[in-house]
Amino acid sequence: QKEVEQDPGPLSVPEGAIVSLNCTYSNSAFQYFMWYRQYSRKGPELLMYTYSSGNKEDGRFTAQVDKSSKYISLFIRDSQPSDSATYLCATNSGGYQKVTFGTGTKLQVIP
Amino acid sequence: DAGITQSPRHKVTETGTPVTLRCHQTENHRYMYWYRQDPGHGLRLIHYSYGVKDTDKGEVSDGYSVSRSKTEDFLLTLESATSSQTSVYFCAISATAASVTNEQFFGPGTRLTVL
Repeated sequence: QKEVEQDPGPLSVPEGAIVSLNCTYSNSAFQYFMWYRQYSRKGPELLMYTYSSGNKEDGRFTAQVDKSSKYISLFIRDSQPSDSATYLCATNSGGYQKVTFGTGTKLQVIP
Repeated sequence: DAGITQSPRHKVTETGTPVTLRCHQTENHRYMYWYRQDPGHGLRLIHYSYGVKDTDKGEVSDGYSVSRSKTEDFLLTLESATSSQTSVYFCAISATAASVTNEQFFGPGTRLTVL
């Protein structure tokens, strides 16, 4: 079993839709939860991070962590074609510890 | 983009040949990482470095070696390339351990094909 599981998609939505991207993880020691965005043929870039359980909002993006169910979510409101990318969830236990990445969900926002 | 470059950006090579990929950073970050990215597997850590001449293995280190003689450069060497090493290779850097999230900044990637 992988430490972080993520549905690969692809997920196709119309412009303006609310998008929900999800991951599950198995290691209770994970404390920090991150979402990276990767455009085609580019390196991943950090989008958001959260610590422990709770929500964090940044513009149209909301990251949510439920440690009791080991579930991580990223919500995108008013999705735009420019949001079309692969979204990777990631987690680690803090400091310079190894970051564990999900396999990524490919999102396409159709104009 | 964070000041990370990778060279070459694309390479085609033959089975059995040695290959060296270079990662160069201008951010003076202490930690550097090499990942490979493959469909169905996501990003997997090959090796990482926590300082000049200080390196350690990741989860898929077999067949790979690394060297870091300067803060800004981290080299990944495939001693004898195999077709299973066909992949996209990403270098990443992160700041000191004070950065508790271990936010990593990624380079543009090197697309390697082993025939």
